[in-house]
Amino acid sequence: SQQGEEDPQALSIQEGENATMNCSYKTSINNLQWYRQNSGRGLVHLILIRSNEREKHSGRLRVTLDTSKKSSSLLITASRAADTASYFCATIKDDKIIFGKGTRLHILP
Amino acid sequence: DGGITQSPKYLFRKEGQNVTLSCEQNLNHDAMYWYRQDPGQGLRLIYYSQIVNDFQKGDIAEGYSVSREKKESFPLTVTSAQKNPTAFYLCASSPLSPLRQEALPQHFGDGTRLSIL
Repeated sequence: SQQGEEDPQALSIQEGENATMNCSYKTSINNLQWYRQNSGRGLVHLILIRSNEREKHSGRLRVTLDTSKKSSSLLITASRAADTASYFCATIKDDKIIFGKGTRLHILP
Repeated sequence: DGGITQSPKYLFRKEGQNVTLSCEQNLNHDAMYWYRQDPGQGLRLIYYSQIVNDFQKGDIAEGYSVSREKKESFPLTVTSAQKNPTAFYLCASSPLSPLRQEALPQHFGDGTRLSIL
């Protein structure tokens, strides 16, 4: 079964709106990472949040982590067309990094 | 500037043929990884290596082989034993964390798309 699972699987919003996607995981973690993948490209690391952090910001990105609920959320504010991509969370399980199946985000003009 | 280079971008395999995907990094990273991605899916780990001349199987190693003769290079061979090789293959690298159960950010190449002829 997946260590990290993103929700929703797909999301379409109007340009300028905020986009929120969630990640749930099963085992205890030291950190959780979020990545972006544009169509046909490799993944790009966005942000890492440690287990002792509750919130982290990077530009228009805001990541939260709730270790009691084993969940994380990624918020993209003031979305742009260039944010259209798939977003993955990644955690560690059995010493290996595990990626979820991702949320496909589509920004409508 | 530093990064990971995967080649070729597109590759076609004939029945019964082995093919090798190249992955080179100049980031001086100790760890390297190979992932397989099927349409609409996440990444599945094939093999990973934390040091030269050593590597470990991931979740779907059957039908694949790797070598790590140099720190910069981690080629993946898709053998004829892999009956369903059509997929997008991604190579990544990262520093090694001194802490167990802590993953450091991975840097990815732009992938090789493998298809069957």
